[in-house]
Amino acid sequence: AQSVTQLGSHVSVSEGALVLLRCNYSSSVPPYLFWYVQYPNQGLQLLLKYTSAATLVKGINGFEAEFKKSETSFHLTKPSAHMSDAAEYFCAVSDQEAGTALIFGKGTTLSVSS
Amino acid sequence: DTGVSQDPRHKITKRGQNVTFRCDPISEHNRLYWYRQTLGQGPEFLTYFQNEAQLEKSRLLSDRFSAERPKGSFSTLEIQRTEQGDSAMYLCASTLAPLNTEAFFGQGTRLTVV
Repeated sequence: AQSVTQLGSHVSVSEGALVLLRCNYSSSVPPYLFWYVQYPNQGLQLLLKYTSAATLVKGINGFEAEFKKSETSFHLTKPSAHMSDAAEYFCAVSDQEAGTALIFGKGTTLSVSS
Repeated sequence: DTGVSQDPRHKITKRGQNVTFRCDPISEHNRLYWYRQTLGQGPEFLTYFQNEAQLEKSRLLSDRFSAERPKGSFSTLEIQRTEQGDSAMYLCASTLAPLNTEAFFGQGTRLTVV
């Protein structure tokens, strides 16, 4: 069975500060890992994905994440936060079979102050 | 193609009434998923279709819920005898398996049962 744990339901940073959102996964098979962002009353938009190629994955809007198998982690980072980054962020895992259903974490709300 | 489309965006219904939601996936996408998202939680998998065949249903999908994808294109999700606990955002996603590894989400239908 697969699961995702996002540490910290709320993260607050100042504009220009480093963003770090934590995600740990559990999977009995090699996983695909994803980060999605959700703005209020909207669907989910893919930020980036890990599909067993490079362990450091770069996504949209300056975000990146590193797959660390030994730590079963896939933390999301951005060097400098922008006000527009304020949103809900979800980490998700699926089997390494393209198109299988995603298992999501509970999400982390990112607040950015000026 | 404008992406995954869901209709309606919002629905308010009285307890005990039946509701039906529609999802139009991205053209040519063979897999279609339904998820439910309650406040403060990540999306939870409900069911998915490969073309017109419903291949998997979560235990969350009680017998009051039914989903169809009659021609392998759009899908409907019906909830019979709605309960207040059904209040949630219902998200649809689609993908082209095995080519795509990620799912593309619609903006969701927010259901409020009063």
